[in-house]
Amino acid sequence: DTGVSQNPRHKITKRGQNVTFRCDPISEHNRLYWYRQTLGQGPEFLTYFQNEAQLEKSRLLSDRFSAERPKGSFSTLEIQRTEQGDSAMYLCASSRPGGPNEQFFGPGTRLTVL
Amino acid sequence: AQSVTQPDIHITVSEGASLELRCNYSYGATPYLFWYVQSPGQGLQLLLKYFSGDTLVQGIKGFEAEFKRSQSSFNLRKPSVHWSDAAEYFCAVGAMEYGNKLVFGAGTILRVKS
Repeated sequence: DTGVSQNPRHKITKRGQNVTFRCDPISEHNRLYWYRQTLGQGPEFLTYFQNEAQLEKSRLLSDRFSAERPKGSFSTLEIQRTEQGDSAMYLCASSRPGGPNEQFFGPGTRLTVL
Repeated sequence: AQSVTQPDIHITVSEGASLELRCNYSYGATPYLFWYVQSPGQGLQLLLKYFSGDTLVQGIKGFEAEFKRSQSSFNLRKPSVHWSDAAEYFCAVGAMEYGNKLVFGAGTILRVKS
């Protein structure tokens, strides 16, 4: 396994700008998850995909957030019109098909909104 | 609602001493339980998992955890702590009925005194 990779590792943006993050899961994993982690808290679930289908979205995922996983491989998470409250670590995880299975996490993308 | 409680925000132990980190959960389905460790600015690394069977599970780095259904607990233990164990530890719960998304506790920060 080459591991889950995320890019960029850090992103600083001004309020109101759009940002996009990328996650590349472990190659044979068909499930992909996005979580958000703020300082002093555990990760909170945002959304998940099985192959290219987005199967669930958390209520945390406002209309400004959109996630895609074209062709069931990498995934992108876009935040439009960023707000200071969006500052957080965005974590991606992947797991094998079937269940139960452990999730393998990437290093995360740290977003700072000024 | 699903929830995970880690009652201790910070724990300090001396190097070589034993460690126990507490985790209690509330879940409406058959839970799968995990412990993850996170070093500053990094993603999450899986320490151990419980799906079924033997309620005492062994993990990496000399950690173990015991699932007690009657107490809704999954406490993490290590007989002798090393300075390199200093990190933040997260307990997480998932279930196939909920798409295997994870619900995390708020974490326990472990400090190790030399």
